[in-house]
Amino acid sequence: NAGVTQTPKFQVLKTGQSMTLQCAQDMNHNSMYWYRQDPGMGLRLIYYSASEGTTDKGEVPNGYNVSRLNKREFSLRLESAAPSQTSVYFCASQGLDRSSYEQYFGPGTRLTVT
Amino acid sequence: RKEVEQDPGPFNVPEGATVAFNCTYSNSASQSFFWYRQDCRKEPKLLMSVYSSGNEDGRFTAQLNRASQYISLLIRDSKLSDSATYLCVVRNTGFQKLVFGTGTRLLVSP
Repeated sequence: NAGVTQTPKFQVLKTGQSMTLQCAQDMNHNSMYWYRQDPGMGLRLIYYSASEGTTDKGEVPNGYNVSRLNKREFSLRLESAAPSQTSVYFCASQGLDRSSYEQYFGPGTRLTVT
Repeated sequence: RKEVEQDPGPFNVPEGATVAFNCTYSNSASQSFFWYRQDCRKEPKLLMSVYSSGNEDGRFTAQLNRASQYISLLIRDSKLSDSATYLCVVRNTGFQKLVFGTGTRLLVSP
């Protein structure tokens, strides 16, 4: 059982380049999330998808777009990367179990924009 | 003011010590509370949920004080393997979104 997988693990971009971060989960979860984590800032929600076919903005959506391709996959796109987007990006998923609300995280993508 | 505030630490303790972390939250409507653990350069993982009545899982005890809007985590008999960052997390209205604190770093030394 792979859980939540993310690709790539590391990426270096030049300012203005674009890229897509991929995320997939095999737990049949409805909700998926993209976070970024910066030193001293904690995890901040970029976008989330409560269910297949829906996406909503989180706390820091500017400069990003997302696609919920199907129930398993949720991708994050940087159209024109900026140095301020240098961060660690985590994808997470959550099921409908309201007794736990546990979110399961992928291993992260370390992105550097020069 | 951050919605969830934690002392960043680090807390340096010897093996076998007892250590406690507190976390305060600003939204009185927060409905669920959690502690996540994050090892260096790894993803966060759920350590335990925090219930109004308090709960214990082995060496770990979590408490919630709704009146004062704080959550605590107590670790007894610290192990080297407890060295990590502990994230305080709250859920507000709507079950999908969680709010994460910046974390408290714990270093357990031999």
